Amino acid sequence: GQQLNQSPQSMFIQEGEDVSMNCTSSSIFNTWLWYKQDPGEGPVLLIALYKAGELTSNGRLTAQFGITRKDSFLNISASIPSDVGIYFCAGRVIQGAQKLVFGQGTRLTINP
Amino acid sequence: KAGVTQTPRYLIKTRGQQVTLSCSPISGHRSVSWYQQTPGQGLQFLFEYFSETQRNKGNFPGRFSGRQFSNSRSEMNVSTLELGDSALYLCASSLEVTYEQFFGPGTRLTVL
Repeated sequence: GQQLNQSPQSMFIQEGEDVSMNCTSSSIFNTWLWYKQDPGEGPVLLIALYKAGELTSNGRLTAQFGITRKDSFLNISASIPSDVGIYFCAGRVIQGAQKLVFGQGTRLTINP
Repeated sequence: KAGVTQTPRYLIKTRGQQVTLSCSPISGHRSVSWYQQTPGQGLQFLFEYFSETQRNKGNFPGRFSGRQFSNSRSEMNVSTLELGDSALYLCASSLEVTYEQFFGPGTRLTVL
């Protein structure tokens, strides 16, 4: 089945640093979604991407839908303590069952 | 607009028992998806319902079942619980099957 490779699995950074994470797959996707999950809560949708090459921002967050339709990245600029959490990418394949496939997550830890 | 609600938030069961979890989607959303989240396996898709019909199904045994009611509320049932069923069960709703999904807070199930 379709799989998403999300990297890195974890990041330890200093407050104020920029963060970059990405997801890749061998399958072609028609939708990329980025979520953030805090402990004990459900994932919260950050950014949705629907077109190849699309670049979308949400405050300090920026995400792009790869030209090949097989990858996406998320950048966080000037990280702050509340950015701590697990970030998930999710993609919807372009063929077959239109279910969402999730990456394994990137755990972000910030040192103040 | 109220978000996705899930009940109960926490549940403790013993092996062999069965359990029913409930999800109320965002008002107007007709699609409901269920996911199992464990530390080792990440977010695993269980099934997706739209207008009371199961549209997609993940690779879970038949002990996992679900249904959707005419008001879009959904339930999932797990019969003959096993220790490995301990997980956070997340429900997500969307306007249509291919739209962005919004998650509830989850039900934390512990099987003893």
